[in-house]
Amino acid sequence: AQKITQTQPGMFVQEKEAVTLDCTYDTSDQSYGLFWYKQPSSGEMIFLIYQGSYDEQNATEGRYSLNFQKARKSANLVISASQLGDSAMYFCAMREGRDSGGSNYKLTFGKGTLLTVNP
Amino acid sequence: EPEVTQTPSHQVTQMGQEVILRCVPISNHLYFYWYRQILGQKVEFLVSFYNNEISEKSEIFDDQFSVERPDGSNFTLKIRSTKLEDSAMYFCASSVTGFGFNYGYTFGSGTRLTVV
Repeated sequence: AQKITQTQPGMFVQEKEAVTLDCTYDTSDQSYGLFWYKQPSSGEMIFLIYQGSYDEQNATEGRYSLNFQKARKSANLVISASQLGDSAMYFCAMREGRDSGGSNYKLTFGKGTLLTVNP
Repeated sequence: EPEVTQTPSHQVTQMGQEVILRCVPISNHLYFYWYRQILGQKVEFLVSFYNNEISEKSEIFDDQFSVERPDGSNFTLKIRSTKLEDSAMYFCASSVTGFGFNYGYTFGSGTRLTVV
């Protein structure tokens, strides 16, 4: 089973409008973290926002907010007031597991959503 | 802001040749990772490294791959005998700690490897 599911291969939004990128996840862990990364056409991975499983409030970072619905296992990214520079691939990722003496936590990524912002 | 630096940004190599991809993680980070992204596909975990040894590796990370931290600052990924299917973007990442989930990863800009 997929651990991270992004059901929208591509999304279009008009400049200055808000857009929601969907992400659902699957884990049996109680402690986990959810991340969103932006990958522009130049290829680098840019961290946008993080939500911990125990965080009671939805994370926000500037124009980015994360709509975290724990019972539904969803962590949707909301971008407000879209800009042309927001056009990029967006990846949702999850880190599972509790540390147990030096173990590391890999990120598991979804397949991504290609966002295009139209002028 | 501190960065993870990867070199080269693009490497073209003949099939069967050895390649070494280099990374300089953020200086106070303790955990290091390699990921790869085949063109148009999702980012996949290869290996994590802590305290000078591999902590975890994926099934992709077979005997053709190795990692090391030769001098306390560089972190390298070696592919011994490259195959066409090794063509991908390779990302290095580092993090301060695995403890606590409020520490994110910092990714490098990637090395695009093309095997011909």
